[in-house]
Formats: sequence, C-alpha cells, structure tokens
Amino acid sequence: DTAVSQTPKYLVTQMGNDKSIKCEQNLGHDTMYWYKQDSKKFLKIMFSYNNKELIINETVPNRFSPKSPDKAHLNLHINSLELGDSAVYFCASSQKPGTSRGNSPLHFGNGTRLTVT
Amino acid sequence: AQSVTQPDIHITVSEGASLELRCNYSYGATPYLFWYVQSPGQGLQLLLKYFSGDTLVQGIKGFEAEFKRSQSSFNLRKPSVHWSDAAEYFCAVGAFSSASKIIFGSGTRLSIRP
Repeated sequence: DTAVSQTPKYLVTQMGNDKSIKCEQNLGHDTMYWYKQDSKKFLKIMFSYNNKELIINETVPNRFSPKSPDKAHLNLHINSLELGDSAVYFCASSQKPGTSRGNSPLHFGNGTRLTVT
Repeated sequence: AQSVTQPDIHITVSEGASLELRCNYSYGATPYLFWYVQSPGQGLQLLLKYFSGDTLVQGIKGFEAEFKRSQSSFNLRKPSVHWSDAAEYFCAVGAFSSASKIIFGSGTRLSIRP
C-alpha cells in the first residue's frame, strides 16, 4: 500500500548515458513533483505537474525531461548524464495547491540515489 | 523571494533531554509552514504543518511547533527526545497558490547522545 513509489532505488551509470526514474502515487493527488537533494542534503524543486500539465519548471538543464502519462505518474528522463547529476532524486505528490485548503503538504517517495561515474 | 533558514547544521542532545530546532522564514504573504523528518535512506515524512489558527501546532511523534509572526519563526520542539528521533529535520514554507512551490531549509541533523 505504498503511497508514493519510485524506481529504481539506486542507479549507477556512466557519464553520457541516458536514464529514467519512474514515480507513481496511489493517493489520488492531482499534483506531482521532482526534487533534487544534493550531497549537503539541500532539497531543491525541479518540476511540478498538475494533472499532466507542467506548472513549475525551475532552472533545470533541458537534459532533464519530465513526462506525466497520467496524473498518477511522473517520470524523469535524463539525457547525457554528467558527474554533477549525482544526487538523490525525490518524487512527491500533493493535492493541488490553492484548492483544498490545508491539503497541500507533500508526500514523498523514498528517493532514487543516482551515481554518475 | 521566499526563503527558509535553519541556522543549526548539527545538534546533539542527550536522550530524555528537551529539544528545540530553529527555523526562520522570509515570505511576502501569510506562509504555510511545515516540518519534515528524514531518516537515513528514506524519504521525507511530514511531522506537522501550520496554515492558520492556533499558533501552537501539535504533530506526530510528540513534536510541536510554534508560529511566531513577529519573529518570522517556526521552531520545532519536543520535551523529551528518544534515540529513534536521530534524523535530519527540514523546515519548509509554501503558499496558498496554484503555482505554489514548497521551499525547504538546509536541514538540521539531530544526533542523540545515549
């Protein structure tokens, strides 16, 4: 009965490769996110999708391309991986901000640790 | 621009002692405030949230936080910590907006001394 699940948990790959991380939520939420956590534990939002529509797109290299086939899924594809992409990537979901007052806390997956060598 | 500051990078307290983790925010409107906890190798779990009303908020695992608008603070407290409370704690701020994004502080690592 996992609420937000992401796969894989660990991903080790070489520079220049292309990889994808998958995320699924069964909470019935409308909004999904990708966050990046660096080696110093700093969490930074990358993207936000509401019902398959891109809402937030922070200053992220266009090698990163999110894809939302439906509102329960938000996948992250990364092209031409670089050493600096090594981090833990968290998927999260919430009710749509600005609608159900008090229901906007994020629910996180357990993260995908990406190591680029 | 909104921001969150957690001035303490690492805190060590003895088991059974009281705890206070500091959080200061900068926000142009009425903020929504959160505290999350991250155990090693895990995602973030919501401890508590403040949206409006009573400024003293109760959360899970015996934690509470107090919103002080005059000080732009939302400090997390627990009267008596347990060894299982050792983790990374994140304060976060958001807004009631369709384009809202939740901004996280840099985290405070809590260690428990036996």
